[in-house]
Amino acid sequence: GAGVSQTPSNKVTEKGKYVELRCDPISGHTALYWYRQSLGQGPEFLIYFQGTGAADDSGLPNDRFFAVRPEGSVSTLKIQRTERGDSAVYLCASSREGRNEQFFGPGTRLTVL
Amino acid sequence: AQSVTQLGSHVSVSEGALVLLRCNYSSSVPPYLFWYVQYPNQGLQLLLKYTSAATLVKGINGFEAEFKKSETSFHLTKPSAHMSDAAEYFCAVSDPNSSASKIIFGSGTRLSIRP
Repeated sequence: GAGVSQTPSNKVTEKGKYVELRCDPISGHTALYWYRQSLGQGPEFLIYFQGTGAADDSGLPNDRFFAVRPEGSVSTLKIQRTERGDSAVYLCASSREGRNEQFFGPGTRLTVL
Repeated sequence: AQSVTQLGSHVSVSEGALVLLRCNYSSSVPPYLFWYVQYPNQGLQLLLKYTSAATLVKGINGFEAEFKKSETSFHLTKPSAHMSDAAEYFCAVSDPNSSASKIIFGSGTRLSIRP
């Protein structure tokens, strides 16, 4: 079956602009995660959804970052007033209910000029 | 709080030589442990995972890792390196008391293979 997909694969924006990054999880996976990977670093947790609700958003760096999953499937990560420090690869992952194995998408590379 | 430390940001071995990538974890409870591989311009792929069953875990592509509680380690090994093993490897930990929880990643080790 299809894996986790993320769009766009690359996004270049200017400082101060608003961006949306989309994640389509594996069909039937109830848990969805967002991570951020800066150059030369391991992925850092941002937020995790169980169904439609955010079960843990402790990794969101500040209130410019927000994520939604209104129907319990597709999720959108939203970043307001982007800053150059937001430049990174944003990874999405999903897992089955009750399972700890997460399947990762290819990521969206965000560049803020 | 849970964390992992990967010793060595870059490891280089000759083709056919033993691969050893080191990982130490910190956790207040016995954790779940993972090794992920990331090939250039590709997503993360799970190599293997430890979930409190056998301490020696075998994964894909000939890799294996051994959970050693006394040393709080989960080192990744492969007896004979192939050129195709060149990639970034991440050790990671999660909370076993949660059915679905965040994964904490190490900073990664880049593996290079010399012909």
